[in-house]
Amino acid sequence: QQQVKQSPQSLIVQKGGISIINCAYENTAFDYFPWYQQFPGKGPALLIAIRPDVSEKKEGRFTISFNKSAKQFSLHIMDSQPGDSATYFCAAASGGYQKVTFGTGTKLQVIP
Amino acid sequence: NAGVTQTPKFQVLKTGQSMTLQCAQDMNHNSMYWYRQDPGMGLRLIYYSASEGTTDKGEVPNGYNVSRLNKREFSLRLESAAPSQTSVYFCASRAGQGANYGYTFGSGTRLTVV
Repeated sequence: QQQVKQSPQSLIVQKGGISIINCAYENTAFDYFPWYQQFPGKGPALLIAIRPDVSEKKEGRFTISFNKSAKQFSLHIMDSQPGDSATYFCAAASGGYQKVTFGTGTKLQVIP
Repeated sequence: NAGVTQTPKFQVLKTGQSMTLQCAQDMNHNSMYWYRQDPGMGLRLIYYSASEGTTDKGEVPNGYNVSRLNKREFSLRLESAAPSQTSVYFCASRAGQGANYGYTFGSGTRLTVV
């Protein structure tokens, strides 16, 4: 079963716009929520991560919003740029963090 | 500063053939992982090794075996390849066990089983 549900599957955003990717989880034991960015032909790379004790974390143009009661979290990319075009994966892990469960990915295309 | 190196980058196998995917990291990381990536399925954990000398099953271990050869190397073996194992395989490593340690991924092995 898919423990982390991610939407949308694909997203097209104009340059300068806001890209929003949403994820929902079921396992309340999850307490670490990273996002990974993957460019074609490359492995995923850690972008930003959040713990459930905060509702928002910002790093540059990237912001994670976290809603513990709804078991949802989202990635916002402000002022989206063509260089942001990539596949984004949300993920979740629990104590020990040895097993990270990934969402199905969102392919983002930022058009000029 | 190679990070995580995977070999080969591409491979075509016939059904029933065997092969070993190699992975090596030069960051002195304790934990290593094998994931497969399929369209619409995201990344699914096959096996992992929390530390040298230990290995554990992930979400989709059937049809695979692993060996943690030493701290640097973690190999994935397909004993009798099947078309369902056509996928992109990623090796990853992680420095520690806390939440602050993200994965470092290799660039992947694209495997086709015909």
